[in-house]
Amino acid sequence: NAGVTQTPKFQVLKTGQSMTLQCAQDMNHEYMSWYRQDPGMGLRLIHYSVGAGITDQGEVPNGYNVSRSTTEDFPLRLLSAAPSQTSVYFCASSLLQGVAGNTIYFGEGSWLTVV
Amino acid sequence: SQKIEQNSEALNIQEGKTATLTCNYTNYSPAYLQWYRQDPGRGPVFLLLIRENEKEKRKERLKVTFDTTLKQSLFHITASQPADSATYLCALGGTGANNLFFGTGTRLTVIP
Repeated sequence: NAGVTQTPKFQVLKTGQSMTLQCAQDMNHEYMSWYRQDPGMGLRLIHYSVGAGITDQGEVPNGYNVSRSTTEDFPLRLLSAAPSQTSVYFCASSLLQGVAGNTIYFGEGSWLTVV
Repeated sequence: SQKIEQNSEALNIQEGKTATLTCNYTNYSPAYLQWYRQDPGRGPVFLLLIRENEKEKRKERLKVTFDTTLKQSLFHITASQPADSATYLCALGGTGANNLFFGTGTRLTVIP
């Protein structure tokens, strides 16, 4: 049982490039989400999904795209990278968010630098 | 919009003492509150959850209180150890699928 697995761990992008951050979980969780963490700010929700085929925007969705074709996978796509997207990205999953506060499991993070 | 404040960016405490971390919030009425631990270069790890109708929760050396009148949660680590050194995050949750908001965290250092 690996939990939540994110790849890559580190990535450097040039402005304007696109890339995909991968996230997979093996706990059969319905809810998956992506957060970004920046210095002096709390974790901020980018996009989330309550099940396969269903996605929705969080607090800071601009510049990012997601899809959920399977229960296990929830990739995050940067369409045209900008320096403002330099951040640490965390993928998370839980049984079902918003229901009596289910435990959220986080991945180990992906450090992205856009130059 | 909601605002979450964790008492200080950094807290140093002597080994064996009780560490107390504070989470204050405004413009929000959470259904529950969670505390997470985050080590450098790692993802947050869930520690405790307390619901709005609960006053206190305990787990081993950890204790959380939740005062909805004061809009505050206190997180205590008793008999602190150097291994407790980490950043601790509070998060406020509602009943919606996108309603979980995190504070910026308090970096705790336990000095041997």
